Amino acid sequence: EAQVTQNPRYLITVTGKKLTVTCSQNMNHEYMSWYRQDPGLGLRQIYYSMNVEVTDKGDVPEGYKVSRKEKRNFPLILESPSPNQTSLYFCASSFSRGSADTQYFGPGTRLTVL
Amino acid sequence: GDSVTQMEGPVTLSEEAFLTINCTYTATGYPSLFWYVQYPGEGLQLLLKATKADDKGSNKGFEATYRKETTSFHLEKGSVQVSDSAVYFCALSDKGGGSYIPTFGRGTSLIVHP
Repeated sequence: EAQVTQNPRYLITVTGKKLTVTCSQNMNHEYMSWYRQDPGLGLRQIYYSMNVEVTDKGDVPEGYKVSRKEKRNFPLILESPSPNQTSLYFCASSFSRGSADTQYFGPGTRLTVL
Repeated sequence: GDSVTQMEGPVTLSEEAFLTINCTYTATGYPSLFWYVQYPGEGLQLLLKATKADDKGSNKGFEATYRKETTSFHLEKGSVQVSDSAVYFCALSDKGGGSYIPTFGRGTSLIVHP
């Protein structure tokens, strides 16, 4: 089944404790991205990657890191989480960076930083 | 920069009522337009899309027409069901921009009562 998977689905942590949210897709998509969803703000893109070893900042990259060592994986790293990073995070992928391409979203990771 | 504005919710309807969710956009290039739907506890999934002016996207009884003259992409359904209760996101992807960052509206919650 074609899908985007994220782990963990739920995470409660404390300020400053490094964490990684994994994202994997099995559709051989070139383009992957991370979003955060906050009430009243909709989805905002954090980082995106157009291919292996190619990443770039989205609208809200501060406090986050990403890497793209393999085509299928695109982990999101919070090296020193803070309470304002409490949010619902989505990974997404698409075949290419073409403007008409559909994005496929993972199920989401709900992160709480205490 | 590019932006998407959609009507605030929640929109509350009775089953079999007619639905309209308004969406307008600003873009520097020639965007593709999308409606995504997010069911409770899930990630976003594509509902429909249109890639050029006057195109109509349709799926599951939902329709939206790309209106370049009014920069709009309103979502409609003739008869809603309880199972349509979800959050709906209007989005654009702009070919003309220097960087590829899809832009999402803030989402409109739809609640359908039996």
